[in-house]
Amino acid sequence: QVQLQESGPGLVKPSETLSLTCTVAGDSMSPYYWNWIRLTPGKGPEWIGYIYYRGSTNYNPSLKSRVTMSVDTSKNQFSLKLNSVTAADTAIYYCARANSGHFRWFDPWGQGALVTVSS
Amino acid sequence: EVVMTQSPAILSISPGERATVSCRASQRISTNLAWYQQKPGQSPRLLIYDASTRAPDTPARFSGSGSGTEFTLTISSLQSEDFAVYYCQQYNNWPPYTFGQGTKLDIK
Repeated sequence: QVQLQESGPGLVKPSETLSLTCTVAGDSMSPYYWNWIRLTPGKGPEWIGYIYYRGSTNYNPSLKSRVTMSVDTSKNQFSLKLNSVTAADTAIYYCARANSGHFRWFDPWGQGALVTVSS
Repeated sequence: EVVMTQSPAILSISPGERATVSCRASQRISTNLAWYQQKPGQSPRLLIYDASTRAPDTPARFSGSGSGTEFTLTISSLQSEDFAVYYCQQYNNWPPYTFGQGTKLDIK
């Protein structure tokens, strides 16, 4: 059974870069799409983007200018970088797997990592 | 971007009763819709995809219906473990994939 685990700093200063890594255990990264999703209290989840196991990416247009994702299949890990953060980027960040194919839902999700943007 | 609107925001209901959560899409999305459950302190869990197909391990009391712009999640007889937040998500028109704002089921 595949399990995902996020890791990274829980506190980031405004204007700096948020960096998170997701480690995938129990399955290969092929042939799936690997996603980052964030959740802010009082709002629905917001999809940040995905990286395919082969390295192609697709980002939410609202965040595209600030997001970079990468993958290391040898370590079964993928990563998120979000630059120029503000308080509005404070959220619980989840990594999640999406099925192959054009129509994709998210299953499973990691346990989540709370990231606070504050000086 | 497809905007997903859920109603109600909060549903106060008693164990054993039938619960109905609605999700409306701002444009037609066929049956490309998923439902998730999130319990306190846990991550979201996939319940239903393709509007009506239960994910493995989803109990039979959960059912999904709808197509186009109107969708419904029904829990036939609420158990104590079902009190949680439920989200819908569309995957027909992307990027971006979009979610509803959530419906919280509260114990009445």
